[in-house]
Amino acid sequence: EVQLVQSGAEVKKPGESLKISCKASGYTFTNDWIGWVRQMPGKGPEWMAIIYPGDSDTRYSPSFQGQVTISADKSINTAYLQWSSLKASDTATYYCINYRIPAPGRGGWFDPWGQGTLVTVSS
Amino acid sequence: EIVMTQSPATLSLSPGERATLSCRASQSVSSNLAWYQQKPGQAPRLLIYGASTRATGIPARFSGSGSGTEFTLTITSLQSEDSAVYYCQQYSNGLTFGGGTTVEIK
Repeated sequence: EVQLVQSGAEVKKPGESLKISCKASGYTFTNDWIGWVRQMPGKGPEWMAIIYPGDSDTRYSPSFQGQVTISADKSINTAYLQWSSLKASDTATYYCINYRIPAPGRGGWFDPWGQGTLVTVSS
Repeated sequence: EIVMTQSPATLSLSPGERATLSCRASQSVSSNLAWYQQKPGQAPRLLIYGASTRATGIPARFSGSGSGTEFTLTITSLQSEDSAVYYCQQYSNGLTFGGGTTVEIK
């Protein structure tokens, strides 16, 4: 069974840095896309970024390009999302996801989802 | 960016009734559409991909239809555990979600 287990909730101040993690199990980590989806309070999900750990190919949503950095450590089957300077508007729940594509070069869907990491940014 | 619009915002139905949820794309997405269910305090769960293919383990009372710009998620014979927010997502050009439809069970 594929499992994505995320790091715990974080409370940070504006301007601070943060790195959250997602440990994958139940499949070959280097063979599937993994990424992050943001969900702000009371809103729908938004795709942020994905990475293919096999070759470190990364893709960012235009809305999040330059705002966050996605990375992966193949040795421990873990993906990361990091911010260098948080803003209050980054307050949200962040979900780790596997990104499934029906064929190379095609778009796809998200399955499964991790349990979510709540990030609160407040002074 | 392709905009996904879901309607109605809220649907209130009794157990055993049929729920019909709509999702409209601002331009054609062919059959590149997925549906998700999100219960309170939980992560979304994939229900449907390819507009009409049920994901593994999803009950047969959930079905998806449509192509192009108009899509429907139908839940036949609603059960109390179907109370949730349902989102559509297109993957034809970029990856965008709709705003969701809340299904309430009376």
